[in-house]
Amino acid sequence: DIQMTQSPSSLSASVGDRVTITCRASQSISSYLNWYQQKPGKAPKLLIYAASSLQSGVPSRFSGSGSGTDFTLTISSLQPEDFATYYCQQSYSTLGRTFGQGTKLEIK
Amino acid sequence: QVQLVQSGAEVKKPGASVKVSCKASGYTFTSYGISWVRQAPGQGLEWMGWISAYNGNTNYAQKLQGRVTMTTDTSTSTAYMELRSLRSDDTAVYYCARDLRVGSECDYWGQGTLVTVSS
Repeated sequence: DIQMTQSPSSLSASVGDRVTITCRASQSISSYLNWYQQKPGKAPKLLIYAASSLQSGVPSRFSGSGSGTDFTLTISSLQPEDFATYYCQQSYSTLGRTFGQGTKLEIK
Repeated sequence: QVQLVQSGAEVKKPGASVKVSCKASGYTFTSYGISWVRQAPGQGLEWMGWISAYNGNTNYAQKLQGRVTMTTDTSTSTAYMELRSLRSDDTAVYYCARDLRVGSECDYWGQGTLVTVSS
């Protein structure tokens, strides 16, 4: 199985901050990398697909980059509604589309 | 609009089976697949498997092989996930999500179904 490792596991930030979350794959996954946001008690929401494509309706302050094994999710200016848990997911392998362990973004 | 509506919460005893349904609307069901993802209490997301609604092809997570079966009923645009030989660590919220194919993404999600395994 391809392992996905996110860092940091948790992060404290303030409204208006620029935040970057990193996701590393245990082998190359080309650009088959998605990012999701999850709020407590809710289903995940797709933010970014194919490493850098913004899902329809998602604010442009969210962006993704990377290819191969190293990927980043950036929020350019944190808004109050952005405090949530973020997950990366690889969709490269038919053997398992594994998720990262999550990054909890909290208010400082 | 695309909607995935899942069946209600279940309580099962260890060793039993559970079957969760996911009824799709707002799109052509057979043009997409369905992934199933679960989340144990306080834990992260775990991908369980994927089924093509077009031809029924499946990919299952290795750790669940032999215990999970995913099916679809195209006449009712409904996907099903059955998990057998339930254990306490199968207690989780189970989600279905629309997922085109290998290499794609889960763009619409169901509301989740809580399955509790307890004696």
